[in-house]
Amino acid sequence: GAVVSQHPSWVICKSGTSVKIECRSLDFQATTMFWYRQFPKQSLMLMATSNEGSKATYEQGVEKDKFLINHASLTLSTLTVTSAHPEDSSFYICSARDQGKAGTGELFFGEGSRLTVL
Amino acid sequence: AQSVAQPEDQVNVAEGNPLTVKCTYSVSGNPYLFWYVQYPNRGLQFLLKYITGDNLVKGSYGFEAEFNKSQTSFHLKKPSALVSDSALYFCAVSVNQAGTALIFGKGTTLSVSS
Repeated sequence: GAVVSQHPSWVICKSGTSVKIECRSLDFQATTMFWYRQFPKQSLMLMATSNEGSKATYEQGVEKDKFLINHASLTLSTLTVTSAHPEDSSFYICSARDQGKAGTGELFFGEGSRLTVL
Repeated sequence: AQSVAQPEDQVNVAEGNPLTVKCTYSVSGNPYLFWYVQYPNRGLQFLLKYITGDNLVKGSYGFEAEFNKSQTSFHLKKPSALVSDSALYFCAVSVNQAGTALIFGKGTTLSVSS
């Protein structure tokens, strides 16, 4: 099946620094990628929809200046957590839809990136 | 708006017994329904999906789910549970629109005892 890779899988940073998380579709092209956030023992909350070549669409309550999303190519989307604070510590998961199979509705998920802000 | 409900936070079953993890959904239009499983500190693994066709869908690891339009349900089932099935299970819904994300239920923790 289709593979989505996330990097890094785990990152620890100091409060006030910025962290970039990459999401790559390895064997398919994705015009649209999605970023989710998951708190411990909770569900995945959609943060934003990343569109190749255009601005991301953010869900209500998600600060776009805090969570910068760039989708520069059909295989790469990045999420940058700017000026991170401990409350930003979470598990971030990206997903992508194979544009060649968009009608199936299925999303492929990365392994997730755990961010810990000290 | 789309929504998914998983009414049980936790389901406990003994190994070898059948298991059911419940899911109901609300969506405008025809739903695409999915089940995913998550192990600790890992991403999501796809189990099965319903797009159209037979209401009974068979998926990975012996799991199956039945789409019931009148009850707007998509319960996950397995005839005989294994200890290794213990994990967090998510039901998700989408619609047939390009660029539409999956909306997830809150998740149900399945615990299978030996």
